[in-house]
Amino acid sequence: GESVGLHLPTLSVQEGDNSIINCAYSNSASDYFIWYKQESGKGPQFIIDIRSNMDKRQGQRVTVLLNKTVKHLSLQIAATQPGDSAVYFCAGNNQGGKLIFGQGTELSVKP
Amino acid sequence: NAGVTQTPKFQVLKTGQSMTLQCAQDMNHNSMYWYRQDPGMGLRLIYYSASEGTTDKGEVPNGYNVSRLNKREFSLRLESAAPSQTSVYFCASNSRDRGTDTQYFGPGTRLTVL
Repeated sequence: GESVGLHLPTLSVQEGDNSIINCAYSNSASDYFIWYKQESGKGPQFIIDIRSNMDKRQGQRVTVLLNKTVKHLSLQIAATQPGDSAVYFCAGNNQGGKLIFGQGTELSVKP
Repeated sequence: NAGVTQTPKFQVLKTGQSMTLQCAQDMNHNSMYWYRQDPGMGLRLIYYSASEGTTDKGEVPNGYNVSRLNKREFSLRLESAAPSQTSVYFCASNSRDRGTDTQYFGPGTRLTVL
């Protein structure tokens, strides 16, 4: 079946360094991918999205890269800050318009 | 603009009790969703409603029922709670006719079934 998975359940980075969170997906029909951030005790919050006809999209301190050849996307966070500590989820849509979520990577930022 | 709101924030039930989780959105979205989140399992779709008056099963519907009361409100009911339903429940909404599948989430309801 369809799946979306993250490569690492946890990631620890030093404050000020760049963070890269990876995600793989199986559904070639997904035409839309989203990254969410979930802080402790809160609901997932939209960060950035990318359509399948793009290979890169930039936001404020974040960049998402999409490689359709290997069915892989990544979220890059520049100059990681303590406030970036959270669980990050990738999600892709399916033909029914529903989202398939990965299990999440917990990012810890060391001061 | 409150976005997606959920009540209650926390709930403890005994096995066999029933309860309804409430969700409302003020973004005029057509579609609404209920997920559960368990450690190591990510978000799993319980039920969804593509538009007012319609509901469909998701990945894990057993033990739950839903009602799309109107465009704003989508409730989730546990008729006879079981310990396996201990989880965090999230409601979400989106409007696919805006050309995006981005869903916006509420703050969650933390449910414990003893």
